Amino acid sequence: QKEVEQNSGPLSVPEGAIASLNCTYSDRGSQSFFWYRQYSGKSPELIMFIYSNGDKEDGRFTAQLNKASQYVSLLIRDSQPSDSATYLCAVNMVGGSNYKLTFGKGTLLTVNP
Amino acid sequence: DGGITQSPKYLFRKEGQNVTLSCEQNLNHDAMYWYRQDPGQGLRLIYYSQIVNDFQKGDIAEGYSVSREKKESFPLTVTSAQKNPTAFYLCASSKLAGGHNNKNIQYFGAGTRLSVL
Repeated sequence: QKEVEQNSGPLSVPEGAIASLNCTYSDRGSQSFFWYRQYSGKSPELIMFIYSNGDKEDGRFTAQLNKASQYVSLLIRDSQPSDSATYLCAVNMVGGSNYKLTFGKGTLLTVNP
Repeated sequence: DGGITQSPKYLFRKEGQNVTLSCEQNLNHDAMYWYRQDPGQGLRLIYYSQIVNDFQKGDIAEGYSVSREKKESFPLTVTSAQKNPTAFYLCASSKLAGGHNNKNIQYFGAGTRLSVL
């Protein structure tokens, strides 16, 4: 069974701190990795995507990928109360023409003012 | 105004009834997907379609049916065979690149919340 694992949390950080969200995946052949943010009662929205090993930065968000360790993370700098949400990690676990994504169960982040 | 439109926002099903959830996109995306989300759970794939008149079962297809007669539309029917249909249903779409490009960035509609009366 191909899986994506996330710590369910809740992860609680003070305003202005760095929030670190982690995700591991079981399929070594995975090629594409995504982070979605989901506010309570709403649908997921794309935050970041990463395809290559290393770091990718976009504003306060940094995605980090280590394919050898099968590990992808999301760092949120200068966390704000508006960042409080569930963060879903998604992985394209099959190569070729199969375009399915496998989602983790999500990590609930709470940023305290 | 481009996007993915799901309707209705809330839906109630009586026992033994089939109900259909609508999903329309005007993004000219090739692929469309249906997911189910239960409280505290991640998204589970029900069905997906990469091209008109073709679709594949996902991980939890039993009790559901779909059609893809137009590129823009991918309705989901929750049949009476689905004994536990209460969930948040999410439709997504993505633009497929050629070859072995698996970028597959999926964008979501606002969702339909289905409950059983």
